[in-house]
Amino acid sequence: GENVEQHPSTLSVQEGDSAVIKCTYSDSASNYFPWYKQELGKRPQLIIDIRSNVGEKKDQRIAVTLNKTAKHFSLHITETQPEDSAVYFCAAREGGSGGSNYKLTFGKGTLLTVNP
Amino acid sequence: KAGVTQTPRYLIKTRGQQVTLSCSPISGHRSVSWYQQTPGQGLQFLFEYFSETQRNKGNFPGRFSGRQFSNSRSEMNVSTLELGDSALYLCASSLGTGVYGYTFGSGTRLTVV
Repeated sequence: GENVEQHPSTLSVQEGDSAVIKCTYSDSASNYFPWYKQELGKRPQLIIDIRSNVGEKKDQRIAVTLNKTAKHFSLHITETQPEDSAVYFCAAREGGSGGSNYKLTFGKGTLLTVNP
Repeated sequence: KAGVTQTPRYLIKTRGQQVTLSCSPISGHRSVSWYQQTPGQGLQFLFEYFSETQRNKGNFPGRFSGRQFSNSRSEMNVSTLELGDSALYLCASSLGTGVYGYTFGSGTRLTVV
């Protein structure tokens, strides 16, 4: 099955700096890569996603890049703000067929702290 | 539009007991997936239901089971609870199996004592 490795496990930056979180996956058939943000005591929320036919996607201060050859994808947050502090999870969705085998495999998460 | 609703929010159970958790997906969503979240293991997939059928299952023992009703609401059951079952149980709904984009509920915090 799919295996997703996420680094770093913790990341501390100064407000205004950029933050980069990296993930690698093992299954070359995986075709969808979402990122979730989970604030303390709250549910994970989808912040951005990318499909395997796209190399990069941006949404304001957040961007995700995908390198299918190397099987890794990264989350980039620019101009970080204290409210960006949270745990971020990457995930990969296995391809599957016939409606089966669709599940997300998550990385272990990155605790991002943005210091004012 | 109401989000994914999980009940109860908190549960305390004793070892050996069983527990049933409930998840109501977003209206119109037909796929419900369940995940176990613990500090050490992160988010681990339990199972997915679509149209009342289990479409996929993670690597959990048979004590973990689930079902989905015709209105897409889902329940998961854990029998013979163990201390290690203490976790946040999250359900997520999507329009259909294989459709991009989960929406998670707020979870049920289960504590086994």
